Amino acid sequence: QQPVQSPQAVILREGEDAVINCSSSKALYSVHWYRQKHGEAPVFLMILLKGGEQKGHEKISASFNEKKQQSSLYLTASQLSYSGTYFCGTVLGSGYALNFGKGTSLLVTP
Amino acid sequence: SQTIHQWPATLVQPVGSPLSLECTVEGTSNPNLYWYRQAAGRGLQLLFYSVGIGQISSEVPQNLSASRPQDRQFILSSKKLLLSDSGFYLCAWSGVVTSTEAFFGQGTRLTVV
Repeated sequence: QQPVQSPQAVILREGEDAVINCSSSKALYSVHWYRQKHGEAPVFLMILLKGGEQKGHEKISASFNEKKQQSSLYLTASQLSYSGTYFCGTVLGSGYALNFGKGTSLLVTP
Repeated sequence: SQTIHQWPATLVQPVGSPLSLECTVEGTSNPNLYWYRQAAGRGLQLLFYSVGIGQISSEVPQNLSASRPQDRQFILSSKKLLLSDSGFYLCAWSGVVTSTEAFFGQGTRLTVV
């Protein structure tokens, strides 16, 4: 039930854009996105519910394609502070646990 | 406001020794509780999930166990640690997980030697 994330790692220069993808083999009810700095706890970014919505958080936004069981996280005009590991978490429905992918390591360089 | 406490922050244990990690949540009732382990290359691996007292779902069969003796207390245990149990253990809680975020504790770095 673990979602699949791609790519595994990304290196960007400050100001560049990136897309992180998350897919599931099962129908999804919701998708969560978190960012984790090394040695720290993951921090919540946003949650998307089924219905194909798109959300934004400053220069970070995400979409959820319910039919394809896919979600994408968009980081525009990246900043140094965006560096970290990004995790998508998926929930199949009420009573199901929040399962995370293996993460995407993002490094933004000056 | 809700807070989650997890301890200890770091732990070094010999192979074969027991383990007990504790997590408590304040400021909410009947939370969903989780234990995750983070090892190199494996992301956030779900170990246990609980929707209520005494209700534990195990996601990964191994020598670890979890208990929820009180509504806001979640304990991760092992009778005999293996080298492969080393990792970063994270406790988390959520409300209705289908539509609300999960909040993580600060984690326990476990090294089995």
